[in-house]
Amino acid sequence: GENVEQHPSTLSVQEGDSAVIKCTYSDSASNYFPWYKQELGKRPQLIIDIRSNVGEKKDQRIAVTLNKTAKHFSLHITETQPEDSAVYFCAARLSNTGKLIFGQGTTLQVKP
Amino acid sequence: GAVVSQHPSRVICKSGTSVKIECRSLDFQATTMFWYRQFPKKSLMLMATSNEGSKATYEQGVEKDKFLINHASLTLSTLTVTSAHPEDSSFYICSARGAGNSNQPQHFGDGTRLSIL
Repeated sequence: GENVEQHPSTLSVQEGDSAVIKCTYSDSASNYFPWYKQELGKRPQLIIDIRSNVGEKKDQRIAVTLNKTAKHFSLHITETQPEDSAVYFCAARLSNTGKLIFGQGTTLQVKP
Repeated sequence: GAVVSQHPSRVICKSGTSVKIECRSLDFQATTMFWYRQFPKKSLMLMATSNEGSKATYEQGVEKDKFLINHASLTLSTLTVTSAHPEDSSFYICSARGAGNSNQPQHFGDGTRLSIL
């Protein structure tokens, strides 16, 4: 069945350093890959997304890369700040049903 | 931007009670809504896909008689947790997708924290 693996489960970085979170998906029919930031008890907030016809996308300090051949995509956060601390989820959307399959999540802690 | 309202935000009730959660799309028509369940420090697990005017499609392992879903209009889907027990305590989140093909973006509600005593 469809599956998304996300690593690492926890990540601690010093303020100003970069953070990288990696995901692998199983269904080659996936065509859209969003990343969400979720604070405790809140809704997931879309922070960046990438479609299957694009290899890389950047929005200020956040970038996402996609390798369709390897079925692998990554989130890169540069110049991290304490307010970046949260749980981050990757997801892959199936093109036929539109269902989002989420990764297990990464708890990012940015130490001041 | 698109807004999805989920109500109630928090429910505390006794074991055996049935609880209804509403998910409304406020400024767009949602032909499809998704219901997720999230345990503490865990990921969002898709429970079911709700299509307006038809029966919901449940994911494997989700009891459809336990989690009743109704999507009677283009702006409202409801999830009813029937005869809730402590193991049903969780964070439930809905998302809504606009009319069109499956490539339309999903917009999430604020979630409902359900606590069964």
